[in-house]
Amino acid sequence: EIVMTQSPATLSVSPGERATLSCRASQSVRSDLAWYQQKPGQAPRLLIYGASTRATGIPARFSGSGSGTEFTLTISSLQSEDFAVYYCQQYNNWPPWTFGQGTKVEIK
Amino acid sequence: QVQVVESGGGVVQPGRSLRLSCAASGFTFSTYALHWVRQTPGKGLEWVALISSDGTNQYYADSVRGRFTISRDNSKNTLYLQMNSLRTEDMAVYFCARVSSTGPFPDYWGQGTLVTVSP
Repeated sequence: EIVMTQSPATLSVSPGERATLSCRASQSVRSDLAWYQQKPGQAPRLLIYGASTRATGIPARFSGSGSGTEFTLTISSLQSEDFAVYYCQQYNNWPPWTFGQGTKVEIK
Repeated sequence: QVQVVESGGGVVQPGRSLRLSCAASGFTFSTYALHWVRQTPGKGLEWVALISSDGTNQYYADSVRGRFTISRDNSKNTLYLQMNSLRTEDMAVYFCARVSSTGPFPDYWGQGTLVTVSP
């Protein structure tokens, strides 16, 4: 089973600043990585797939990069609606599909 | 628009059974595989099961294999999760999610249904 590890657990950022979230896989997942955003009481929303492709309707301030075992989600200028929990998920080696434990982006 | 709506959650005693449903609309249900994913406060998101578009292939997490059964009725646009021999560690919010057409990852998720397992 591929273990996904996200860091940091919590990121405190001021509105308008850049946020950089990391995700590491225990073995290579090539570019088969997705990022999700989840707000309290809501379903996860797909942001990025293929490590760097934005899903339909996702603003350009969200970008993904990386391949193999190291991945990054960058939010270029945080808006109020971006404060949420973000999860990475690998879909290269399955089953199981595995998620990171999440990074909470909170207002500084 | 794509919608998936879960139902069937509730409070159940350990060892008992529960069946979750997921009603889909806004897309051609019979051409998409579907996941069940659960979420607990302590363990985050955990994949549970996947079923292929025609229902012939199913995959399960080790933690539920032999106890849970995923199935679908393409004539009713509905996904199911039959949960038997429930344990306290199965307590979670259960989401159904459509598999993307561009890769085997979830793209659209429902709001979830809460399963509470308590004596």
